[in-house]
Amino acid sequence: EAGVAQSPRYKIIEKRQSVAFWCNPISGHATLYWYQQILGQGPKLLIQFQNNGVVDDSQLPKDRFSAERLKGVDSTLKIQPAKLEDSAVYLCASSLGAGVYEQYFGPGTRLTVT
Amino acid sequence: GNSVTQMEGPVTLSEEAFLTINCTYTATGYPSLFWYVQYPGEGLQLLLKATKADDKGSNKGFEATYRKETTSFHLEKGSVQVSDSAVYFCALLGMEYGNKLVFGAGTILRVKS
Repeated sequence: EAGVAQSPRYKIIEKRQSVAFWCNPISGHATLYWYQQILGQGPKLLIQFQNNGVVDDSQLPKDRFSAERLKGVDSTLKIQPAKLEDSAVYLCASSLGAGVYEQYFGPGTRLTVT
Repeated sequence: GNSVTQMEGPVTLSEEAFLTINCTYTATGYPSLFWYVQYPGEGLQLLLKATKADDKGSNKGFEATYRKETTSFHLEKGSVQVSDSAVYFCALLGMEYGNKLVFGAGTILRVKS
């Protein structure tokens, strides 16, 4: 069974530029999550989708971050414009459903903002 | 709100040494508790979990017991290997509506041969 796929694996941009990350969850997984992991900290949930609807985006900085999950499968996370403090690893995870279903994580995208 | 505190690292051990990584939590109600592991260059993987008090989760020689009286979920392994070198994250999932995984800061484990 294929795991969660993410691309790109690494990205370096200058502040005020825009960037987009892509995630392909495990087939059949209804719930998709985007996490931000700053160096030395645990992952923090940015947004959770159930199929193509948003369940929780309370910690998403909506003035610069946006995310969508078209057709309830793939998802993209965009940052525009980027700030230095956005440097982090962005993790995508998926699960069969919300709640206590196990979350399967992708390898992450390491973003460096200079 | 819910929170997880785990011991700071890095923890450096020799092969076959005993491992303990402490984890305590703050939460309302009865959360589920998890340990995730992140090997270099890879995503997080679920290592073990416990969903109610006194449950013991175990996997790959690692184990942790859900202790409600001390709000703890310490990770232990009797004999570590070099291949166990990784970052370990303790996490909780609250039972209230809209719950989400809350992670600790992670503990780096380095095992020397």
